[in-house]
Amino acid sequence: GEDVEQSLFLSVREGDSSVINCTYTDSSSTYLYWYKQEPGAGLQLLTYIFSNMDMKQDQRLTVLLNKKDKHLSLRIADTQTGDSAIYFCAETESGSARQLTFGSGTQLTVLP
Amino acid sequence: KAGVTQTPRYLIKTRGQQVTLSCSPISGHRSVSWYQQTPGQGLQFLFEYFSETQRNKGNFPGRFSGRQFSNSRSEMNVSTLELGDSALYLCASSPGGSTAGNEQFFGPGTRLTVL
Repeated sequence: GEDVEQSLFLSVREGDSSVINCTYTDSSSTYLYWYKQEPGAGLQLLTYIFSNMDMKQDQRLTVLLNKKDKHLSLRIADTQTGDSAIYFCAETESGSARQLTFGSGTQLTVLP
Repeated sequence: KAGVTQTPRYLIKTRGQQVTLSCSPISGHRSVSWYQQTPGQGLQFLFEYFSETQRNKGNFPGRFSGRQFSNSRSEMNVSTLELGDSALYLCASSPGGSTAGNEQFFGPGTRLTVL
């Protein structure tokens, strides 16, 4: 079955860039997503990328996709303390367009 | 537009009982998916409903069931509750059609505790 992996923790200083990485195994993945979860809250959709794209930029967020290596990354520029949260990478495959397979999440801590 | 709403937000039940959770999707969205989030297993897909039909199902026992109404609101039911069913249950809403965007928007979740 498909598998999505992320490192568990990342700490950065306020104002620095954060890069959260994700690898996936399903070669038929069509959409890849980044979600943010703050304590006690649901999941907030940050951005997503279609598998035929290499990069997507949305304000402070940049998503890079290396389809050959099945590697996805999320870069947050000028990281702020409000960015501290758990970030989940997720993918869907063709034919199950709304069945998301999630990684275990990366806890981002932004230090002042 | 109002976001995805889930009720109740918190629920405490005892083993053997059954529970019903409700989800109202974003207005105009026809697809509702349900996910279970636990510290041990992470986020796992339960099922998806579209136009009152279950379109996809995850790997959960038959104690977990759901339905969708004509107004797209969805309920999920868990019968014969077990301690391991304690989790945050998240509902996701999306437009759902084949040519629609694939964004899924999540509600705040229902925190179920089974004692």
